[in-house]
Amino acid sequence: LAKTTQPISMDSYEGQEVNITCSHNNIATNDYITWYQQFPSQGPRFIIQGYKTKVTNEVASLFIPADRKSSTLSLPRVSLSDTAVYYCLVGDVSARQLTFGSGTQLTVLP
Amino acid sequence: GAVVSQHPSRVICKSGTSVKIECRSLDFQATTMFWYRQFPKQSLMLMATSNEGSKATYEQGVEKDKFLINHASLTLSTLTVTSAHPEDSSFYICSANHPTLGGSGANVLTFGAGSRLTVL
Repeated sequence: LAKTTQPISMDSYEGQEVNITCSHNNIATNDYITWYQQFPSQGPRFIIQGYKTKVTNEVASLFIPADRKSSTLSLPRVSLSDTAVYYCLVGDVSARQLTFGSGTQLTVLP
Repeated sequence: GAVVSQHPSRVICKSGTSVKIECRSLDFQATTMFWYRQFPKQSLMLMATSNEGSKATYEQGVEKDKFLINHASLTLSTLTVTSAHPEDSSFYICSANHPTLGGSGANVLTFGAGSRLTVL
């Protein structure tokens, strides 16, 4: 199982772009990278998923370099409501046996 | 989109009693569901994998006789905390695989809203 490492916390200001990087040095060939967001006392919520290169949806972008040993979640123009814990998970297509790392507490300041 | 409903959201019980938490996939079938436990300011810890029609698979250190899991249908898994004690107080979260939500071809975990258990 690929282990992930993220910064414990990050601070940003409203309107800024935030990039959160996750390291997964032992990612397997058939592993995908998925990011989740969690607010206090709620279950995590899916943000974005990718395998390689760049993926973009309506809320975020995910950058994955060619060696796939890391990935960067990019949140454009964050707002106070983006304050949450962000987790990156690495696992195969079945999404079984996913292990949560420590996550990154993002705090958006006014 | 895929929805997983978890009930109850909050429960308070006396020490020694049992508590059942339900997890339902509302608009898709889930042959596999996962149960997590989360303490304040900590990450989610996988407790067990619930398999429809068969026994659950428990993670190391999780007492299967204390945390009973039943996955009787493709849309319902239940977690029963038996003879609960104050140290069992925690936030319990379930999830289910959704086959298409990821967009990149891999399954995505859809999570319930969680159940806050407080044992007095």
